[in-house]
Amino acid sequence: KNEVEQSPQNLTAQEGEFITINCSYSVGISALHWLQQHPGGGIVSLFMLSSGKKKHGRLIATINIQEKHSSLHITASHPRDSAVYICAVSAKSNYQLIWGAGTKLIIKP
Amino acid sequence: DSGVTQTPKHLITATGQRVTLRCSPRSGDLSVYWYQQSLDQGLQFLIQYYNGEERAKGNILERFSAQQFPDLHSELNLSSLELGDSALYFCASSAGGWTGELFFGEGSRLTVL
Repeated sequence: KNEVEQSPQNLTAQEGEFITINCSYSVGISALHWLQQHPGGGIVSLFMLSSGKKKHGRLIATINIQEKHSSLHITASHPRDSAVYICAVSAKSNYQLIWGAGTKLIIKP
Repeated sequence: DSGVTQTPKHLITATGQRVTLRCSPRSGDLSVYWYQQSLDQGLQFLIQYYNGEERAKGNILERFSAQQFPDLHSELNLSSLELGDSALYFCASSAGGWTGELFFGEGSRLTVL
């Protein structure tokens, strides 16, 4: 079993829909990262969380440390949100990053 | 613009050759990470440097080596290249010795023919 599991692997939705991507992990962490990789390849850090909730524009990230679970939400989704969303955790034991496999999101107009 | 600069952006070379990829981290960031991403694959962690010292090693082949210089830029050397080394190589930086927020370069696309 992978230490970081993302679901779903693939998600296709219509423009305007509310999107949720989930990330579960099995190790103790110091922080959790959400990143976005566009089809062109560029990777952008969206959030770094160690507790609670963060919001940036239409993006919201939450983390439940007790349940070892994080969610990334996109409100009023738009075709430009189409990308791969990656969850990664900083392991508390050695601070190394453990990467999820990514969620490929397609938003159709 | 993340502030992380990678050169070259594209590189085409032949099997058996040696290449060097360069990364300049964001101003003030002490940690540099190298990742490999093959076609339609996830990011594979290669190696991390913090303030000139190797901090963590991932699935880095013996044919590959890296270093971080006193000015904090880093180089990834790939030698005896094989077709399977064709990939996007990303550099990322963060402020601390542990992983703070990550800032990625645009990547260097290596094609081995």
